[in-house]
Amino acid sequence: DQQVKQNSPSLSVQEGRISILNCDYTNSMFDYFLWYKKYPAEGPTFLISISSIKDKNEDGRFTVFLNKSAKHLSLHIVPSQPGDSAVYFCAASNNAGNMLTFGGGTRLMVKP
Amino acid sequence: EAGVAQSPRYKIIEKRQSVAFWCNPISGHATLYWYQQILGQGPKLLIQFQNNGVVDDSQLPKDRFSAERLKGVDSTLKIQPAKLEDSAVYLCASSIGHQETQYFGPGTRLLVL
Repeated sequence: DQQVKQNSPSLSVQEGRISILNCDYTNSMFDYFLWYKKYPAEGPTFLISISSIKDKNEDGRFTVFLNKSAKHLSLHIVPSQPGDSAVYFCAASNNAGNMLTFGGGTRLMVKP
Repeated sequence: EAGVAQSPRYKIIEKRQSVAFWCNPISGHATLYWYQQILGQGPKLLIQFQNNGVVDDSQLPKDRFSAERLKGVDSTLKIQPAKLEDSAVYLCASSIGHQETQYFGPGTRLLVL
């Protein structure tokens, strides 16, 4: 039973345009959501998070949106840069960041 | 600040053999996690330690996997005996506390033949 799903295995965008990565979850008890970025041969690195009491959180070029009624979150990257090319994982927790459940990842390719 | 260290980076073994992975967390981080990441999937939590105590090991296949963090600092994860389906990247992560941001090491890539 996959509680966190990233239905797009890959996404390709042009440099300077917006990248939108999507994530759906099924467990209504999840109350904290995170995005991690992973480069090849490295561990995931934390990118941005959002608590269920908010519907938007922004950090520079990265914005995460949360739609609790739809059990859906998205990560927007504006403008996209070639260095953003990586695998992005969304993760969810029902204990404010503890016990993370990860999605399967989306590979983002930003073309110069 | 030094990150999470893991060794070895790569390991190839035959099925039914044993293998051990080592993790040294960021200094001062009380919480340590081991994840298994199978190719094409997201990381799956195997076990979580708070200092030297186990917080959750519900997804650890205890018939073949074991982990310890005896002095509350570094940790080892062991597989005995290994199966083909254990081929994966084993990631270690640490955080200051159990509700803080997790920082991941580079992982150990295991191939079981």
